[in-house]
Amino acid sequence: DAGVTQSPTHLIKTRGQQVTLRCSPKSGHDTVSWYQQALGQGPQFIFQYYEEEERQRGNFPDRFSGHQFPNYSSELNVNALLLGDSALYLCASSPLAAQETQYFGPGTRLLVL
Amino acid sequence: QQQVKQSPQSLIVQKGGISIINCAYENTAFDYFPWYQQFPGKGPALLIAIRPDVSEKKEGRFTISFNKSAKQFSLHIMDSQPGDSATYFCAAESNTGNQFYFGTGTSLTVIP
Repeated sequence: DAGVTQSPTHLIKTRGQQVTLRCSPKSGHDTVSWYQQALGQGPQFIFQYYEEEERQRGNFPDRFSGHQFPNYSSELNVNALLLGDSALYLCASSPLAAQETQYFGPGTRLLVL
Repeated sequence: QQQVKQSPQSLIVQKGGISIINCAYENTAFDYFPWYQQFPGKGPALLIAIRPDVSEKKEGRFTISFNKSAKQFSLHIMDSQPGDSATYFCAAESNTGNQFYFGTGTSLTVIP
């Protein structure tokens, strides 16, 4: 079992650009959550996807959007990048029947210059 | 507003000692309290978790103590080992949703 995988591992963008991050959930998991982890901080919830729909959203602007595909994989899109968007973006997957059991991927390190 | 407050920010413990990390919350709707361990370059990994219907849960060298009336919970690492050196996060999940709220993390260093 490959666990949760994310791509790319690192990314450098400039202000104003757009970025897409990808996540493949652990086998058997149908729910995907995205988190932003700033340096030295705990992860902050962005949103959660189940059955290709956004189930819940944290306190993030509309510049942050997502998508879930029929195979449960997911994308996080961020438009109009700001310097403050520089962070580690984590994807976590869980089965709907046990959502508290979240498995995190290694994350994508995004640097906005 | 930080929903879960974690302390200390950093901790240095001798090998074989006890590491204690504390967290506090205000939202009484929280009903699941996990602890995560994160190594550099890795995502957080679930270590141990507790629900408010018990006051303590032990798994190997790791113990969660939970005080519902004080709205506090803590992680105790017994016989701390250098391999335990990592950042530890407490978290809480509300019974009204699927959102996890994380503490700010504690960097633990275990000295051989």
